[in-house]
Amino acid sequence: DQQVKQNSPSLSVQEGRISILNCDYTNSMFDYFLWYKKYPAEGPTFLISISSIKDKNEDGRFTVFLNKSAKHLSLHIVPSQPGDSAVYFCAATNFGNEKLTFGTGTRLTIIP
Amino acid sequence: DVKVTQSSRYLVKRTGEKVFLECVQDMDHENMFWYRQDPGLGLRLIYFSYDVKMKEKGDIPEGYSVSREKKERFSLILESASTNQTSMYLCASSFQTSGSYEQYFGPGTRLTVT
Repeated sequence: DQQVKQNSPSLSVQEGRISILNCDYTNSMFDYFLWYKKYPAEGPTFLISISSIKDKNEDGRFTVFLNKSAKHLSLHIVPSQPGDSAVYFCAATNFGNEKLTFGTGTRLTIIP
Repeated sequence: DVKVTQSSRYLVKRTGEKVFLECVQDMDHENMFWYRQDPGLGLRLIYFSYDVKMKEKGDIPEGYSVSREKKERFSLILESASTNQTSMYLCASSFQTSGSYEQYFGPGTRLTVT
């Protein structure tokens, strides 16, 4: 039972353009969401997060949008750079729960 | 700067062997986690520890056990390794109820069981 889904296994975007990575969840108890980035042979690193009291959170080139009614979140990267090529995981939890539920990941390739 | 280290980057073991994967964190985090990452399946939680000697099963604990004798160290044990345990193993740690839920990951151990 995949409670957090990333339906696009891969995505290719031209350098300088916007990258949009999507994530859907089924558990309505989830109220905190995180994005992680993972390079090959390295552990995932935290990118950005959002709580359910917000619908948008921005940090530099990265913006996460949350649509609670659709149980959907997205990560926007603008402008995309070659160093953004990595696997991106979304993760979800609910307040007070230390454990995260991860999605299956999307491999983003930025084309120079 | 948070540091989570794992004892080996690459490991090759034979079927039936007992395997120990070690993880150490230097940030005095209460929580520690073991995940495995497989293509198309993302990160799946094997075990979680919220305090010394305390542990909780994750989503896929079968075939694994854990040990946490000291706060900074969390070990994953494969009692009798099998080929379906060939995977990337990732350790993570976090503060308890920090409000951010951010977990810090080690570099991973690529385990191959032949």
